[in-house]
Amino acid sequence: TQLLEQSPQFLSIQEGENLTVYCNSSSVFSSLQWYRQEPGEGPVLLVTVVTGGEVKKLKRLTFQFGDARKDSSLHITAAQPGDTGLYLCAGVPSNDYKLSFGAGTTVTVRA
Amino acid sequence: DTAVSQTPKYLVTQMGNDKSIKCEQNLGHDTMYWYKQDSKKFLKIMFSYNNKELIINETVPNRFSPKSPDKAHLNLHINSLELGDSAVYFCASSQDGRYSNYGYTFGSGTRLTVV
Repeated sequence: TQLLEQSPQFLSIQEGENLTVYCNSSSVFSSLQWYRQEPGEGPVLLVTVVTGGEVKKLKRLTFQFGDARKDSSLHITAAQPGDTGLYLCAGVPSNDYKLSFGAGTTVTVRA
Repeated sequence: DTAVSQTPKYLVTQMGNDKSIKCEQNLGHDTMYWYKQDSKKFLKIMFSYNNKELIINETVPNRFSPKSPDKAHLNLHINSLELGDSAVYFCASSQDGRYSNYGYTFGSGTRLTVV
């Protein structure tokens, strides 16, 4: 079983629509990170959240860390084709130091 | 350019061969990692070195052996390659040693195909 469950696995939307990707766990994390990976490339860090309830914004992307530090969400407003990619959440459990990844959400934004 | 660079980008080899993948980072980070990404895009950690010391050694066949000559380099040697070793292997580095809260910088991956 995976430590982090991401949903949905696939998401296909029209340009201009909004989307939300979820990352859930039964474990408490000292931090959660979001990455985006494009074909043929490595994951690129988008954001790190460390405080329960924290909200971070990166242009049209909003990241939230749950109050109990067990879950996170990524919301994209007015998605553009350039947002297409594999979105990965990753976290360091409170009782560990290894970064574990979710299985990813493949987002396709159609023009 | 500051980055994590790994070579080769593609590696096609026959079963039973031995091969190596090299990784170098010029970010001044203390910790380096090897991850394996399977066909379903799931990333799983294999090894981690902190300043040349092995700190993470996951359940990986002992045909896989990491080597870190200095904190800027981490290589992966694979003996007796098997079909199931086919995957994309990523090298990564981070600045904060044993605590990964600041995020990783990944290389662009090595796609290994065993035929």
